[in-house]
Amino acid sequence: EVQLLESGGGLVQPGESLRLSCAASGLTFRACPLSWVRQAPGKGLEWVSGISAMGGEHTYYADSVKGRFTISRDDSKNTLYLQMNSLRAEDTAIYYCTKYAGQYTGNSYFEYWGQGSLVTVSS
Amino acid sequence: QTVVTQEPSFSVSPGGTVTLTCGLTSGSVSTSFYPSWYQQTPGQPPRTLIYSTNTRSSGVPDRFSGSILGNKAALTITGAQADDESDYYCVLFMGSGVYVFGTGTKVTVL
Repeated sequence: EVQLLESGGGLVQPGESLRLSCAASGLTFRACPLSWVRQAPGKGLEWVSGISAMGGEHTYYADSVKGRFTISRDDSKNTLYLQMNSLRAEDTAIYYCTKYAGQYTGNSYFEYWGQGSLVTVSS
Repeated sequence: QTVVTQEPSFSVSPGGTVTLTCGLTSGSVSTSFYPSWYQQTPGQPPRTLIYSTNTRSSGVPDRFSGSILGNKAALTITGAQADDESDYYCVLFMGSGVYVFGTGTKVTVL
């Protein structure tokens, strides 16, 4: 059974940084492209970032986070990360770790979802 | 900035049929956008329903179906049941590794 477990969320002030982690099990982690999707309280879903399999040579970002967030992975630890810098109030959301179907980040869909980790940016 | 539009809400009677759509503010949706659909109930992560326009995910009842209708992607629920009352989101692949979620549709069954 595929399991994705996010951690690292919490309350931070505007301008601060936070790193989310997603520990994966039940899959061949290094072969899996992965992504982060977020959902602000009471709002819709927003794709945030994606990373290719096999070391994560290719990364992709939504315009809303480009230059502030960095996605990465450690295949030796079966863990996905999202480093979030210069956080803003509008980054407040539940952040879901997701696995793309197939081998690539393109022409795919979000096959598995974690339970999410809440990030709150407030002074 | 690309906006993917969905109806804000729909109401359907038990046993009835409802079709949700997923469009672009500029341009038409085709199979090349690999539209997928997700169902979400309060407090839960989304559940994958449909991918690649019309392929049902494992375990999804056949009352859910996907298609292209005109210039939009569509999700049809045929024979709606009470537990279909949820939020529904489409996603389009825009190329260059970028995905955009639709605005979401709240479906009420009553």
